Amino acid sequence: TQLLEQSPQFLSIQEGENLTVYCNSSSVFSSLQWYRQEPGEGPVLLVTVVTGGEVKKLKRLTFQFGDARKDSSLHITAAQPGDTGLYLCAGGGYNKLIFGAGTRLAVHP
Amino acid sequence: GAVVSQHPSWVICKSGTSVKIECRSLDFQATTMFWYRQFPKQSLMLMATSNEGSKATYEQGVEKDKFLINHASLTLSTLTVTSAHPEDSSFYICSARDRTSGNTDTQYFGPGTRLTVL
Repeated sequence: TQLLEQSPQFLSIQEGENLTVYCNSSSVFSSLQWYRQEPGEGPVLLVTVVTGGEVKKLKRLTFQFGDARKDSSLHITAAQPGDTGLYLCAGGGYNKLIFGAGTRLAVHP
Repeated sequence: GAVVSQHPSWVICKSGTSVKIECRSLDFQATTMFWYRQFPKQSLMLMATSNEGSKATYEQGVEKDKFLINHASLTLSTLTVTSAHPEDSSFYICSARDRTSGNTDTQYFGPGTRLTVL
């Protein structure tokens, strides 16, 4: 059974701080997706990484896929209140996505 | 691009009735759609994989006779919760894979349907 461990589970920070969210597994994934979800809405795709060691940037967000394709990280620089939400990582394989438990981020002005 | 819609966005029904939720891919064709359930403050739980023109594949512990899935076209999948009970109250979310996308893992999600069973 493939599992994705996501940490931290909760994160409460001040505007302007940096943060990193981690997803780790003992399994290899064909790809890794990161989503952001607001309350009462569906997850919105932020990025897909497919190559080991791949780094993608989306404005203040930096995503990295581990060399062995077993782990990934999301780094946010200078967090803003608009970054508040539930961040979900999801590993691809066997025709479905395996989701981490999610990281609930709150950025305070 | 890659927009998925769901209807209705919320529904309240009486115990014992059936409720149908629709999931549509608006600007792409999806041979595969997925149905998830999400409880408050938790992650997504996959219920079933819906394949166009064939039977759905249900995850372990999900009753296929209670959660009926139909994927009759490349842009539409439906989930029917039969004989709903209060414990079926939840947030149901569908997703779809773009058959033309280079990455076959990426799923695009609908906005979700809040079901409340009285």
